[in-house]
Amino acid sequence: QSVLTQPPSVSGAPGQRVTISCTGSTSNIGAGFDVQWYQQLPGTAPKLLMYTNSNRPSGVPDRFSGSKSDTSASLAITGLQAEDEADYYCQSYDSSQGGYVFGTGTKVTVL
Amino acid sequence: QVQLQESGPGLVKPSETLSLTCTVSAYSIRSGYYWGWIRQPPGKGLEWIGLIYRSGSTYYNSSLKSRVTIFVDTSKNQFSLKLSSVTAADTAVYYCARAAEYWGALDYWGQGTLVTVSS
Repeated sequence: QSVLTQPPSVSGAPGQRVTISCTGSTSNIGAGFDVQWYQQLPGTAPKLLMYTNSNRPSGVPDRFSGSKSDTSASLAITGLQAEDEADYYCQSYDSSQGGYVFGTGTKVTVL
Repeated sequence: QVQLQESGPGLVKPSETLSLTCTVSAYSIRSGYYWGWIRQPPGKGLEWIGLIYRSGSTYYNSSLKSRVTIFVDTSKNQFSLKLSSVTAADTAVYYCARAAEYWGALDYWGQGTLVTVSS
């Protein structure tokens, strides 16, 4: 039922840069609603990683950055580290569904 | 530091009602913000269930609306979820979370609780 589409997986070597896309539509991201990103480490609850498209909560390293354009958003991780290995989810509001929508999720693997 | 903690039965029989409570610490629900429930079936992604404001105003996922009730008890600083007529498809880890503003980021999450629907 996810209306936000993400690649199932991305991978990179330590120190590399990876990006995760989040593709929506004109009823969510394209309508101007903000995008959030969450990091979920194995066996733990999701943690807010990015809010209102490109803002990092206190304590989140500046290796993480977010952007939004038209009907999609992206999360970039530069200087990839082993501790970044996790599942990442984008999230927005959808006006046709009248509530929160989450992305399909992306597993980041550090080679 | 705001903390949220889910509690409730870990096993529910098919066709019965799932009931969970989220207890909030270090922040008074009376003060504001929105409070929500999200679930995650084993090995799958996140699904938003519903949201409630301190006043009791509720917002539900349209796909679950006919079966979901969320209510708040400000005297106990808790909010609760009831999901009726459950099936195996409702087996999931259930999280409670706080939204700092209307449809804003979910900035604090509980650790989650696994609810299995099985006879």
